[in-house]
Amino acid sequence: QVQLQQSGPGLVKPSQTLSLTCAISGDSVSSNSAAWNWIRQSPSRGLEWLGRTYYRSKWKNDYALSVKSRITINPDTSKNQFSLQLNSVSPEDTAVYYCTRASGPDKFDPWGQGTLVTVSS
Amino acid sequence: DIQMTQSPSSLSASVGDRVTITCRASQSISNYLNWYQQKPGKAPNLLIYAASNLQSGVPSRFSGGGSGTDFTLTISNLQPEDFATYYCQQGNRTPLTFGGGTKVEI
Repeated sequence: QVQLQQSGPGLVKPSQTLSLTCAISGDSVSSNSAAWNWIRQSPSRGLEWLGRTYYRSKWKNDYALSVKSRITINPDTSKNQFSLQLNSVSPEDTAVYYCTRASGPDKFDPWGQGTLVTVSS
Repeated sequence: DIQMTQSPSSLSASVGDRVTITCRASQSISNYLNWYQQKPGKAPNLLIYAASNLQSGVPSRFSGGGSGTDFTLTISNLQPEDFATYYCQQGNRTPLTFGGGTKVEI
């Protein structure tokens, strides 16, 4: 049974960097059949896919255009986890952030427990 | 980007009812359509993948159909635990996108 456990701060100051980590159990971040995603949810934006990292002979990333200039998603094979960094945050980045695994027809399952990140001074 | 439009945005129903939610894609996505249920304070939970395949552990009263641009999620014999918000999501191409949600209320 795959489980994802998120960690990271719930409060970030404007212009600083949001950093979250997602620890994987029951699967490998280096899996050739999965992709590891970050999604956020807010009342104004709904569910918004931010990006993913995955291994297909080499590491690859895809990012949403809306955050492409500010986002980095990295795997950590030594700890079997992956991370999200979002730079230069503003109050509009306030949301619940989820990590999730995608497989098959890019279906998201399972999900992490979610982290409410508030951007405020 | 592929836009996903759900209707209705909310509906009222009673235990035992049959409920159908519609999701329309702005362009053809073949059968790369997934459905999720979300309850307050919880992460979304996968119900249906590839338009019509029931995820393991999901009750058989949930069913999905459609292909191309038009899809449906049907809940037959609505149960108290089914009152939640439902989302569709396309997996055809990045950026992966979600519908706006349908809240099923008592």
